[in-house]
Amino acid sequence: AQTVTQSQPEMSVQEAETVTLSCTYDTSENNYYLFWYKQPPSRQMILVIRQEAYKQQNATENRFSVNFQKAAKSFSLKISDSQLGDTAMYFCAFMSLSGNTPLVFGKGTRLSVIA
Amino acid sequence: KAGVTQTPRYLIKTRGQQVTLSCSPISGHRSVSWYQQTPGQGLQFLFEYFSETQRNKGNFPGRFSGRQFSNSRSEMNVSTLELGDSALYLCASSLDRGGNYGYTFGSGTRLTVV
Repeated sequence: AQTVTQSQPEMSVQEAETVTLSCTYDTSENNYYLFWYKQPPSRQMILVIRQEAYKQQNATENRFSVNFQKAAKSFSLKISDSQLGDTAMYFCAFMSLSGNTPLVFGKGTRLSVIA
Repeated sequence: KAGVTQTPRYLIKTRGQQVTLSCSPISGHRSVSWYQQTPGQGLQFLFEYFSETQRNKGNFPGRFSGRQFSNSRSEMNVSTLELGDSALYLCASSLDRGGNYGYTFGSGTRLTVV
């Protein structure tokens, strides 16, 4: 079974600074997706960024980028120029491409952006 | 384009009662998945429905059930509620089975069992 570990329960960052959230996962699969989701107080889970395991190039979405290290099974999220609206819970998630398995989530990292 | 709609947003029930939660997926999405979110266990998969059939089920007791209608709307039911069922229940819809085109989540139903 796949597992996803987020070792930082809480983090804080000053507005306009850069922060990196860590995620490691365990799987024997070779084909999978990795995701970062953001859950603000509104509770809706919002997709931040997605990485296909077969792609060596790290995904980027505006201020959000990932450092995907497949051999190390590491998938960190970097947020540049942090904004107050980035304050939320961030979840790392894994999805295998074989067998139609569901998303497997980490326990989350609570990020606070401080003015 | 409307997002994933979950109703109700909040619910308070008494231990032993049953509850039904509703999820309307994005128009055109045929897959609906349900997750339970608690502070202690995090997000746990309940089940996935595609074309009115349950395609996948998580490790939850039989008190948790669901169904999907021909218009892709889904309901989940919890019978004989226990205090530990208090949680945020999230629904996610996807164009296809397995979420290869991504999942879109609703804002959840907060269930409190007293």
